[in-house]
Amino acid sequence: DARVTQTPRDKVTEMGQEVTMRCQPILGHNTVFWYRQTMMQGLELLAYFRNRAPLDDSGMPKDRFSAEMPDATLATLKIQPSEPRDSAVYFCASGLDGVEQFFGPGTRLTVL
Amino acid sequence: KQEVTQIPAALSVPEGENLVLNCSFTDSAIYNLQWFRQDPGKGLTSLLLIQSSQREQTSGRLNASLDKSSGRSTLYIAASQPGDSATYLCAVRPGSDMRFGAGTRLTVKP
Repeated sequence: DARVTQTPRDKVTEMGQEVTMRCQPILGHNTVFWYRQTMMQGLELLAYFRNRAPLDDSGMPKDRFSAEMPDATLATLKIQPSEPRDSAVYFCASGLDGVEQFFGPGTRLTVL
Repeated sequence: KQEVTQIPAALSVPEGENLVLNCSFTDSAIYNLQWFRQDPGKGLTSLLLIQSSQREQTSGRLNASLDKSSGRSTLYIAASQPGDSATYLCAVRPGSDMRFGAGTRLTVKP
């Protein structure tokens, strides 16, 4: 049963700390998306990769957020330094050529 | 900029009722539209994907339609069950990204 996996599932940290979230896309998928979900804003696209190359990261605050794909089986989203307003659920999704997206379970981030 | 709206925001129905969830989008130039289900504290589960050239898709008790010209999609759920209780989101692909509606929170009462 192929699934997108994300770690950690929950993260509580203090303001100013670095946070790294990891995602393992479904094997064979060539597109990876990072989303953030909050009650106020709903689901927002942060970054999008195709064949490991970043195609769109316009939704991401560049001064503190960075997204990478070191290899085809791992995508990372890093926040440095973290702020309370970054508290949200972060989802990773993968797909084939960006047609249909399959979501991971999310990482719930709380920044105190 | 593509805007996606879902009405109603919340819906409560008795078990067994047929129901329709609505999704509207402002720009008809889309590649596809996808309906998702999200249970509390969980990720999104893909329900149906409609390509821009298609008019509808069916899966079990679910039927989704797409009218690009009017910027509308509906998700029809037949014979609703308490297990259908969740938030339903629609999303459109205007380009490389995906735009989501705020969702309809459905409660099916036994």
